[in-house]
Amino acid sequence: AQSVSQHNHHVILSEAASLELGCNYSYGGTVNLFWYVQYPGQHLQLLLKYFSGDPLVKGIKGFEAEFIKSKFSFNLRKPSVQWSDTAEYFCAVIPDSGGYQKVTFGIGTKLQVIP
Amino acid sequence: EAGVAQSPRYKIIEKRQSVAFWCNPISGHATLYWYQQILGQGPKLLIQFQNNGVVDDSQLPKDRFSAERLKGVDSTLKIQPAKLEDSAVYLCASARGRVGDTEAFFGQGTRLTVV
Repeated sequence: AQSVSQHNHHVILSEAASLELGCNYSYGGTVNLFWYVQYPGQHLQLLLKYFSGDPLVKGIKGFEAEFIKSKFSFNLRKPSVQWSDTAEYFCAVIPDSGGYQKVTFGIGTKLQVIP
Repeated sequence: EAGVAQSPRYKIIEKRQSVAFWCNPISGHATLYWYQQILGQGPKLLIQFQNNGVVDDSQLPKDRFSAERLKGVDSTLKIQPAKLEDSAVYLCASARGRVGDTEAFFGQGTRLTVV
């Protein structure tokens, strides 16, 4: 079974600082990768996704993530965070193996941006 | 397209009572998920349907939880009897469920408090 690890559980940054949140997964086959964001009081929303092609994926609000297959990683980055980026970020993986696909989420990283 | 609809948004019950949650997925989505998100943790898959069939319920506490998806559309999740540790947000999500198109869309969730 696949698993997802998010190593930073709570990150505090000042506005304009750069952000990188780690995500590693374990699964031997082809995967689809996602980052979801949950703003305070809101539901989970898709930030960006990787299915195939260019391993550098750009999402909404200036976020991007890089899929490094050899490292089983899909780290999320943003060059300059804003206070409005305060939220919880979840990495998720789905094996792209046909049939039904089971989504596995990481534990989440709470990001707090200080003005 | 309309999003995933869930009701109720909030529910407070006493332990040993029963409760039911309802989910209406996005039209045409074959895959439906129920997740439990306990405060401070990532979403945990409870059950996954493909059309009206269960494909994964390995983490569903079957002695007290049940779920059904009649006619492959709407779904209900029931807890009977509830325990204090069932306090969580219950998320419903749906996806088209095709290879290479596995993005899950989430509803607002139902926040359950068991007292």
